[in-house]
Amino acid sequence: KAGVTQTPRYLIKTRGQQVTLSCSPISGHRSVSWYQQTPGQGLQFLFEYFSETQRNKGNFPGRFSGRQFSNSRSEMNVSTLELGDSALYLCASSPQTGGTEAFFGQGTRLTVV
Amino acid sequence: AQRVTQPEKLLSVFKGAPVELKCNYSYSGSPELFWYVQYSRQRLQLLLRHISRESIKGFTADLNKGETSFHLKKPFAQEEDSAMYYCALSGSRAQKLVFGQGTRLTINP
Repeated sequence: KAGVTQTPRYLIKTRGQQVTLSCSPISGHRSVSWYQQTPGQGLQFLFEYFSETQRNKGNFPGRFSGRQFSNSRSEMNVSTLELGDSALYLCASSPQTGGTEAFFGQGTRLTVV
Repeated sequence: AQRVTQPEKLLSVFKGAPVELKCNYSYSGSPELFWYVQYSRQRLQLLLRHISRESIKGFTADLNKGETSFHLKKPFAQEEDSAMYYCALSGSRAQKLVFGQGTRLTINP
């Protein structure tokens, strides 16, 4: 089985721009979660989607949004980028929502300049 | 609210010595607890979960509800154990997976 795939792997954006990151989960997995990883804050939960519905949301501003398509692929969008948004964004997929093993992608490294 | 605390950011031990990575949690219900590991240049992956009560790569972890802890232990550390370790908690079904800050374990030869 192919693992979780995130694209692109690296991105450089300018303050004020917006960005869209993509995640393809493991085949058959219906839950996709997004995390922001930084050296200072560790892994912080952004949101989780299951069957195209947002099931959980972390404490991030509304500039961070996401969606899930009928094939379980997910995208997250960050608008009006700030320098502090520079981070590794990780996507994880699970067969179902909550309490099950999460399989992680390799992440998208976003740098805001 | 769910919270996971890993008090040690860095832990360094010698090869062959015992290892204990600490994890404390805060959750009012029945938690499901996990340890994830990230080796250099590899993706984050599940090491073990308390429900399975398995020993993976010589590591074990016991859930202590009285002390709200889920410490990760290995009796004899090996150099290949050097990695970043994250403790994570999920509540009842349909609750998000919350991670601790992580502990970087270094095994010295």
